[in-house]
Amino acid sequence: QKEVEQDPGPLSVPEGAIVSLNCTYSNSAFQYFMWYRQYSRKGPELLMYTYSSGNKEDGRFTAQVDKSSKYISLFIRDSQPSDSATYLCATSNSGYALNFGKGTSLLVTP
Amino acid sequence: DGGITQSPKYLFRKEGQNVTLSCEQNLNHDAMYWYRQDPGQGLRLIYYSQIVNDFQKGDIAEGYSVSREKKESFPLTVTSAQKNPTAFYLCASSAWDWGAEQYFGPGTRLTVT
Repeated sequence: QKEVEQDPGPLSVPEGAIVSLNCTYSNSAFQYFMWYRQYSRKGPELLMYTYSSGNKEDGRFTAQVDKSSKYISLFIRDSQPSDSATYLCATSNSGYALNFGKGTSLLVTP
Repeated sequence: DGGITQSPKYLFRKEGQNVTLSCEQNLNHDAMYWYRQDPGQGLRLIYYSQIVNDFQKGDIAEGYSVSREKKESFPLTVTSAQKNPTAFYLCASSAWDWGAEQYFGPGTRLTVT
């Protein structure tokens, strides 16, 4: 079983919709959770960083971690065409080993 | 501007040739990493370095080599022993701390024919 599972999509939504992106993980020792946004042919950009369980909000983005069910989510409110990208979740229980999901491709249509 | 630079952006090589990818950071980060990304796959760790003159193998180190002579620089050599070298290569850096956030460079797309 892969340590981090992520539906590859593609996910297509109309502009203004609320987007929900999700990952599941298998190792209960993971304590650090990240979401990266990657535009085509670019390096990933760190979007959200969460330690342990709970919610974190930054503008239109909310990251949620449920350690009891090993489930992490990223919500995007009022989605924009510029949000069209691949979103990668990543988990870690140490300073160096990030475990990445395969990424979900999101398309926001005007 | 603080950040991570990778060069070149695109690289083409003939099979059997070694090639070196450059990565430089001015974030004063102790740790640096090399990942490989293939279509439909997540990022896979090739090598990482916590400190100058020290580095560790990641999950897919075979066919690759690195050096860390300066804190700012972590070049990756793709050798002829790497069976499928064509990929998108990403360099990252972080503070050396538990759960430290990793920041990525723009990537180098290597094509070997």
